[in-house]
Amino acid sequence: AQKITQTQPGMFVQEKEAVTLDCTYDTSDPSYGLFWYKQPSSGEMIFLIYQGSYDQQNATEGRYSLNFQKARKSANLVISASQLGDSAMYFCAMRERIFNAGGTSYGKLTFGQGTILTVHP
Amino acid sequence: ETGVTQTPRHLVMGMTNKKSLKCEQHLGHNAMYWYKQSAKKPLELMFVYSLEERVENNSVPSRFSPECPNSSHLFLHLHTLQPEDSALYLCASSQEFETDTQYFGPGTRLTVL
Repeated sequence: AQKITQTQPGMFVQEKEAVTLDCTYDTSDPSYGLFWYKQPSSGEMIFLIYQGSYDQQNATEGRYSLNFQKARKSANLVISASQLGDSAMYFCAMRERIFNAGGTSYGKLTFGQGTILTVHP
Repeated sequence: ETGVTQTPRHLVMGMTNKKSLKCEQHLGHNAMYWYKQSAKKPLELMFVYSLEERVENNSVPSRFSPECPNSSHLFLHLHTLQPEDSALYLCASSQEFETDTQYFGPGTRLTVL
């Protein structure tokens, strides 16, 4: 089973409207983190927002909010008041604790396939 | 310079060439990472370093050789690559390697002829 699923290959939104990008995840680790990154055509992966698995409230960062529904294992990104500069690829990612061959743990990020968002004027 | 920088931004190499990718972070972080992003594939973790010590090699072929001389610099040495190694190579860093947010550089777009 895929650990991170983004079911929307592409989304369109009108400028100034809100848009929701879907993300579902699968893990048996009780302590995990969920992230959203934005990747413009230039290639850089830009960190947007983070939600910890034990956080009681949904994370917000400016125009970005994360709709965290733990029982449904979903972590949707909501972008309010879309701007033309929001057009980009958006990736959902999950961090789990992984042990290497030597028994050392580290946080491994697993990314979804991404959603291309296009904002129309 | 701020954040995470990568050089070169674009690289074209033949299969018999040897080249190196460089990553530098100016955030005072202790952990650094290499990722590969191929067309139509999710980002794949390649290597994890914490305080210059390699924590993970995610089954990467030996034609990719990482080097971390200090906590601010990370290199990826390339030799005898294949055309299927053409991809965007992204470097990232985090304060520590277990729980913190990873911040990415702009990437090196590699083409192997």
